[in-house]
Amino acid sequence: EADIYQTPRYLVIGTGKKITLECSQTMGHDKMYWYQQDPGMELHLIHYSYGVNSTEKGDLSSESTVSRIRTEHFPLTLESARPSHTSQYLCASSAVAGGYEQYFGPGTRLTVT
Amino acid sequence: RKEVEQDPGPFNVPEGATVAFNCTYSNSASQSFFWYRQDCRKEPKLLMSVYSSGNEDGRFTAQLNRASQYISLLIRDSKLSDSATYLCAVNGRGRGSGGNKLVFGAGTILRVKS
Repeated sequence: EADIYQTPRYLVIGTGKKITLECSQTMGHDKMYWYQQDPGMELHLIHYSYGVNSTEKGDLSSESTVSRIRTEHFPLTLESARPSHTSQYLCASSAVAGGYEQYFGPGTRLTVT
Repeated sequence: RKEVEQDPGPFNVPEGATVAFNCTYSNSASQSFFWYRQDCRKEPKLLMSVYSSGNEDGRFTAQLNRASQYISLLIRDSKLSDSATYLCAVNGRGRGSGGNKLVFGAGTILRVKS
């Protein structure tokens, strides 16, 4: 079972606020990912990182930004939240060695009013 | 054309039935294949990896057909608790380090009814 944590689990916030979604893993995985998923819809990769100081944008354009200063920590920031950002945000990680399997955190369900 | 495609379903089956899902992929260079299970409003959880020789775990069997570029998941003796969305994932083309990302299908919904 993977040890990957996300906080907060639920967040309701007003338009224009700055928010940071936290993601941490204790497995020493080098690769980490952020996905966005609306209810009943498919996963969309928005950011990924292959190690400290490495970040890249994913397949879905996102106004969010990420940083990777420590191996275990991969926070996602929205400078000015809008209702269109309402979604579930899932963090995942995978090891460099071995296969490509990813392990997901429980997600943050964000609602912007 | 999407890199990974699945029949969205839903597949409505009675308890005890055998059900099979297919997932096609377009990148012939893909080397890693997985099935995930996702319950409503939860995160995807790794169900099983798919090996060239096939893989069986209890009631679940996964197979790979490289020639036709698809993977399959067979569930025998379906239980009510098997109701979920099943996602296939394939390592795909990527920028930067390339090929290190998983590309997920949109998922197939399974509903097992008593």
